[in-house]
Amino acid sequence: GAGVSQSPSNKVTEKGKDVELRCDPISGHTALYWYRQSLGQGLEFLIYFQGNSAPDKSGLPSDRFSAERTGGSVSTLTIQRTQQEDSAVYLCASSRGLRTDTQYFGPGTRLTVL
Amino acid sequence: QKEVEQDPGPLSVPEGAIVSLNCTYSNSAFQYFMWYRQYSRKGPELLMYTYSSGNKEDGRFTAQVDKSSKYISLFIRDSQPSDSATYLCAMLRTSNTGKLIFGQGTTLQVKP
Repeated sequence: GAGVSQSPSNKVTEKGKDVELRCDPISGHTALYWYRQSLGQGLEFLIYFQGNSAPDKSGLPSDRFSAERTGGSVSTLTIQRTQQEDSAVYLCASSRGLRTDTQYFGPGTRLTVL
Repeated sequence: QKEVEQDPGPLSVPEGAIVSLNCTYSNSAFQYFMWYRQYSRKGPELLMYTYSSGNKEDGRFTAQVDKSSKYISLFIRDSQPSDSATYLCAMLRTSNTGKLIFGQGTTLQVKP
């Protein structure tokens, strides 16, 4: 079946603009995760959804970052007033639901803030 | 100090060599251990998933966990140029929501 998909694959924006990144998880997967991968920091957790709820938002770096999930499926990560340090690859992963279930990653969105 | 330490390399080996990749960690609460492979401009894909101490083998890949030393390894036998990628270790605490803690990743190049 189809894997996790993310859009756009690349996004270039100017400092101060808002951006929205989209994740379509594997059908039937109730758990959804966002991670960020940058050169200096490696791969870091941002937020976890179970269904439409986000019981763990501990990795969001600032209040400029928010995420939502609707219909237990698609998720959107929004970054407001982007800064250059937000430049990174944003990865989405989904799993069947148990915290120990395998997480399947999408290809990522490469965000560049000029 | 990071919770999970992994030498970023790069590591360059000739085709056919045995490759050893390693991670150390500081938190004894980690109980689940994974190795992901990531090709350039792609998302990570799961290679191996182990629970607690011991060995697990899958084809040319062997994952080893030593909880007493807080040390995990991935061995690749008969390495191929197609194994050239970044290898990321990842760990999960028993009390976590599923949040994975990753090492920095080791870049491997296998030369023909």
